Amino acid sequence: GENVEQHPSTLSVQEGDSAVIKCTYSDSASNYFPWYKQELGKRPQLIIDIRSNVGEKKDQRIAVTLNKTAKHFSLHITETQPEDSAVYFCAASKGYSTLTFGKGTMLLVSP
Amino acid sequence: DGGITQSPKYLFRKEGQNVTLSCEQNLNHDAMYWYRQDPGQGLRLIYYSQIVNDFQKGDIAEGYSVSREKKESFPLTVTSAQKNPTAFYLCASSEGAGADTQYFGPGTRLTVL
Repeated sequence: GENVEQHPSTLSVQEGDSAVIKCTYSDSASNYFPWYKQELGKRPQLIIDIRSNVGEKKDQRIAVTLNKTAKHFSLHITETQPEDSAVYFCAASKGYSTLTFGKGTMLLVSP
Repeated sequence: DGGITQSPKYLFRKEGQNVTLSCEQNLNHDAMYWYRQDPGQGLRLIYYSQIVNDFQKGDIAEGYSVSREKKESFPLTVTSAQKNPTAFYLCASSEGAGADTQYFGPGTRLTVL
């Protein structure tokens, strides 16, 4: 089955810096890659997703890039703010299979 | 994602007891999922259902059971066979199976006393 690895497990940045979280996947047939943000004690919420027919997608300060050849995708957050502090999860799936999640990255943004 | 509800928010159980966690959605989604979340472990799939009256085991189904008698409801029973049930349980739904956006409920935190 699919295996998703996520790095780093913890990331600390200063407010205004950029943050990058990387994920690798094992199944070359995977074609859907969402990113979720989970604040402490809350539900995960989708922040951006990308499908394998595109290489990059942006939404304001958030962007996701996909490298199908290398089987990795990354989340980029620019101009970080304290409210960006949370745990971020990547995931991958293909066809009618279920999502496989990475283990998460705790992002800490210091004022 | 306000269309998915879970109850109760907190649940305490004595060892040897079965407990049932509720998950309801009014999004008219066909697929529903149960995940277990432990610190540092990410989200692990327990069971999922792609259509009413059908469900499949996920990666960690042992000690759990589910039913899907109605489209909007997907209850999870944590049985006494689950050796380490203390965790945060999340229910999710999606319009279809697979590569569709999953929307999560607020979660139930289960503690075994």
